[in-house]
Amino acid sequence: AQSVTQPDIHITVSEGASLELRCNYSYGATPYLFWYVQSPGQGLQLLLKYFSGDTLVQGIKGFEAEFKRSQSSFNLRKPSVHWSDAAEYFCAGKPGAGGTSYGKLTFGQGTILTVHP
Amino acid sequence: ETGVTQTPRHLVMGMTNKKSLKCEQHLGHNAMYWYKQSAKKPLELMFVYSLEERVENNSVPSRFSPECPNSSHLFLHLHTLQPEDSALYLCASSHRLAGRDEQFFGPGTRLTVL
Repeated sequence: AQSVTQPDIHITVSEGASLELRCNYSYGATPYLFWYVQSPGQGLQLLLKYFSGDTLVQGIKGFEAEFKRSQSSFNLRKPSVHWSDAAEYFCAGKPGAGGTSYGKLTFGQGTILTVHP
Repeated sequence: ETGVTQTPRHLVMGMTNKKSLKCEQHLGHNAMYWYKQSAKKPLELMFVYSLEERVENNSVPSRFSPECPNSSHLFLHLHTLQPEDSALYLCASSHRLAGRDEQFFGPGTRLTVL
């Protein structure tokens, strides 16, 4: 079955530390992958997306993600976390080229990020 | 207005009430979506409208009824809801082009069913 998994429910880091949020996917072919961020009481904001090509993807707010086919992963990284990065982060995927998805995104369970001063 | 807007932002209703959620996108997109976000559950896709045609109903109970009168507006009509329907309802839109469409989300409507 097609799925996206975020193994970490909650992560705490200190401000200025580096961050990596994990995402694993299960699709028959290379999927399209996304990372979203959600602040309390808000909708989801797209951070970055991967369709094909360069496996290192740059996004907004200083985030990047790396697509690793061999590990079925699409982990989100940031070299130095700011207190304003505290939020919930969602990885999402859909079938890639040749798939019939009708736009259906499958979301992971989300990872809550807490930033300590 | 820019992006995707949703009204109302908060809604409290009884189990016998009828209400509607409204979503409007100002992005020129051609697909719109309703999602349900419950505590400790992944986001659930409820409905997809592409080019004003509903293309998927994710086994959602009939007490939820979507309406998409044009490519910019999407409604979710609610009637005889249950307390377990309390959740954040998110609307999204995208420009579907060979599947390479990222979805843009509205701020959501926080629904509480008493």
